[in-house]
Formats: sequence, structure tokens, C-alpha cells
Amino acid sequence: DAGVIQSPRHEVTEMGQEVTLRCKPISGHNSLFWYRQTMMRGLELLIYFNNNVPIDDSGMPEDRFSAKMPNASFSTLKIQPSEPRDSAVYFCASSFRGMGTEAFFGQGTRLTVV
Amino acid sequence: AQSVTQPDIHITVSEGASLELRCNYSYGATPYLFWYVQSPGQGLQLLLKYFSGDTLVQGIKGFEAEFKRSQSSFNLRKPSVHWSDAAEYFCAVGSMEYGNKLVFGAGTILRVKS
Repeated sequence: DAGVIQSPRHEVTEMGQEVTLRCKPISGHNSLFWYRQTMMRGLELLIYFNNNVPIDDSGMPEDRFSAKMPNASFSTLKIQPSEPRDSAVYFCASSFRGMGTEAFFGQGTRLTVV
Repeated sequence: AQSVTQPDIHITVSEGASLELRCNYSYGATPYLFWYVQSPGQGLQLLLKYFSGDTLVQGIKGFEAEFKRSQSSFNLRKPSVHWSDAAEYFCAVGSMEYGNKLVFGAGTILRVKS
């Protein structure tokens, strides 16, 4: 398996623009997580899905952020409108929901909002 | 609520010396514990995990960790550090009760001096 695939790897956008980050989880995994990493706040869980259903989105910072998982092999994280403080590395991870299972991470998307 | 504390932000060790990275967790249920490593510009890679059984677990790259329930700790150790071990290390806790979502510590940056 190719692992968790995220695209794009880097994104530079202007403030106010819409940004869409994409994730393809590992085949067979039924849990998917979106994390944000910054120097100030470390790794924050934004939202996670089990069987394509959002379970906990309490980490989503504002209504400007939204996430979808239309099927088991694809998820998006959208920011509209984007702001400079959204600049961070966004990671997608997937796991098989079972006892003691670990999450497998993608390479991340480095977002810069100017 | 789950929480993870990594009290050391930076650690510097000499190549060949032993290493211990500290991790304490706060959790009411039975936790699953993980150590991940992140090299610059990369995603997170699993080093090892604990969810039951022997409290001393072995991982990749010669790392091991010991789960001590009485101390709520899961410290990472390596008997002899190599220059290639320089990276950031994250401790994480998860649980079936929380849908297997992982909560991460702030990370410890390891520097290796020759």
C-alpha cells in the first residue's frame, strides 16, 4: 500500500481565498483524522471520522473550516476564507478502528496564507 | 479528558550515549500509548506502541519504552544514540472509549552531538 496520500504537499494562497486539502487514507482503514501542526500549538486534532461519519469536530477552530468524507477512500479539509493564522502543516492520518491500533500519517500539506 | 505531557522540549545527547525521553499521561480509562518520530519536513512514523501485556515494549530502530501505570508514564529509551536519531519525538495516548483518536504531547526535539 502507498500509505496515506495527501495533496498538495505545499500550498501558498492569498488571504481570503478558499483552500482545499485532500487525503486518501490507507485502503481498509475505517478511521480518518485531520491534524494541524504549528510551532505554537503543536499537533492539534481538528476532526475525525469513523466509517465516513464525523465523530468529533470539536477541534475545528472556526466555521471557516469544514471537512468531508464522501467515501471510504477520500476526505477533504476546506478553509474558506483563509487567513494568515491558518498557516500550518496539516496532516491526515488513518487507522483501523480496533484495540490498540495506531494511526498512519501522510506527509502533510504545508499551507502558507499570505 | 486525555492529556499527555512531555516535560522536555529539547534534549541534547552525545552520539553513543543512552537516551530517555519522558512522557506522562492523564487518563481515566485504559490507555493505548504510542511513540512517534518526525524528521524535518516529514510525517510522523510509529516507533512503538503499548496496549496490553508486557509493559516493556520494543520498537523499531532499537527503541524501547516501559509503561508504568503507577507513575502514569511511558518513557522512551535507547541504549546508544546514533546521529540519525536526531528528530522530534511525540508521545500519544488513545483509547477505544474515545474512538481511538490520539492526543499528542508537545514533542521533544532530540539533538545528537558528535
